[in-house]
Amino acid sequence: LAKTTQPISMDSYEGQEVNITCSHNNIATNDYITWYQQFPSQGPRFIIQGYKTKVTNEVASLFIPADRKSSTLSLPRVSLSDTAVYYCLVGDDGTASKLTFGTGTRLQVTL
Amino acid sequence: DAGVTQSPTHLIKTRGQQVTLRCSPKSGHDTVSWYQQALGQGPQFIFQYYEEEERQRGNFPDRFSGHQFPNYSSELNVNALLLGDSALYLCASSSQTYEQYFGPGTRLTVT
Repeated sequence: LAKTTQPISMDSYEGQEVNITCSHNNIATNDYITWYQQFPSQGPRFIIQGYKTKVTNEVASLFIPADRKSSTLSLPRVSLSDTAVYYCLVGDDGTASKLTFGTGTRLQVTL
Repeated sequence: DAGVTQSPTHLIKTRGQQVTLRCSPKSGHDTVSWYQQALGQGPQFIFQYYEEEERQRGNFPDRFSGHQFPNYSSELNVNALLLGDSALYLCASSSQTYEQYFGPGTRLTVT
């Protein structure tokens, strides 16, 4: 399984755009990149998934360069409620594959 | 539509005891996965059930076992509890897709 590396923590002010980059140098051809968000004492929540280029949904954007060795989760205009741990996962988009989490990036948003 | 539910919310056990945790998947989901999350760490995959069979297993000892019922609900059993088994146990359900929906977890404390 491709290993991921992401910053341990990040700080931001409310209203700013936050970009969290994840490195996955050994990503395989069949692997997709998925991001989950986790609030304290809750289970992780799916945010976004992509294979290449750019994916956007109502919550975030995911930028993936052509070599796919990294990806960037972009959160527009964060609010205090975006304070959470963000996990980057890489794995085969097979049927209900197991998820392999790293330690994630702890994002702290303040006023 | 209820999401993934887990019971109990919290549990305190003594070393050597046995524990059973329960999970009801999101409506329409047929696959249940269990994860263990130690404090400050990302969730670690324990095993996955589909059609009442264990389909995948992570790196956990045989003390960890599970079951899936015909209604797709699932149980996680842990025998001979160790102090190191203290963690948040998360259940996730899916329906043959990579996106998994997590429950709120059961906080297990072993003393």
